[in-house]
Amino acid sequence: NAGVTQTPKFQVLKTGQSMTLQCAQDMNHNSMYWYRQDPGMGLRLIYYSASEGTTDKGEVPNGYNVSRLNKREFSLRLESAAPSQTSVYFCASSSPLKRRLNTEAFFGQGTRLTVV
Amino acid sequence: AQKVTQAQTEISVVEKEDVTLDCVYETRDTTYYLFWYKQPPSGELVFLIRRNSFDEQNEISGRYSWNFQKSTSSFNFTITASQVVDSAVYFCALSEGVWAGNNRKLIWGLGTSLAVNP
Repeated sequence: NAGVTQTPKFQVLKTGQSMTLQCAQDMNHNSMYWYRQDPGMGLRLIYYSASEGTTDKGEVPNGYNVSRLNKREFSLRLESAAPSQTSVYFCASSSPLKRRLNTEAFFGQGTRLTVV
Repeated sequence: AQKVTQAQTEISVVEKEDVTLDCVYETRDTTYYLFWYKQPPSGELVFLIRRNSFDEQNEISGRYSWNFQKSTSSFNFTITASQVVDSAVYFCALSEGVWAGNNRKLIWGLGTSLAVNP
């Protein structure tokens, strides 16, 4: 089982360039998430998708867009990269059981993005 | 408001010492989940434990143990006989609410960086 797979692992962009971070999970999870992690700031939620066909903004959505392509895949797009978007990005997935409490989230390996 | 506080930013211990990482949370919900995750130097986030608000039993898993006390809104994590491989950043997180098909977001602490020195 691969779990949650993110690509790429590393990326350097110039200011103004665009790119899409890909995420796929093979655990049949309903919910998927994109986080960014910055020193001293912990993990901050960018966007999440509670189920296929829905997406919602998290704490820091500005400058990003997402697509929940199907149940497996959830991509994050930077339309015009800025140095402030230099960060480590994590994709995660989880699945609430019907009428049960939340389960833990499983994370991808992370993408280290540098915008120069 | 929901909040998770990990007051210890960095801890340094010598191998074989016991160490406790503190986690204090705030929530208005009566139903919630608490989590601990480990982030080793390689960067991945590894799930360690989940505890729901109805279960205050302490949990032990090998050298790891967790103490959940609703009276003090704390969910502390103890590593017994620490090892160099325990060196990592440890995050505590809170998830509120329960409803079918609506996974609640995780609220994260800022993490405690643990260094275990030989």
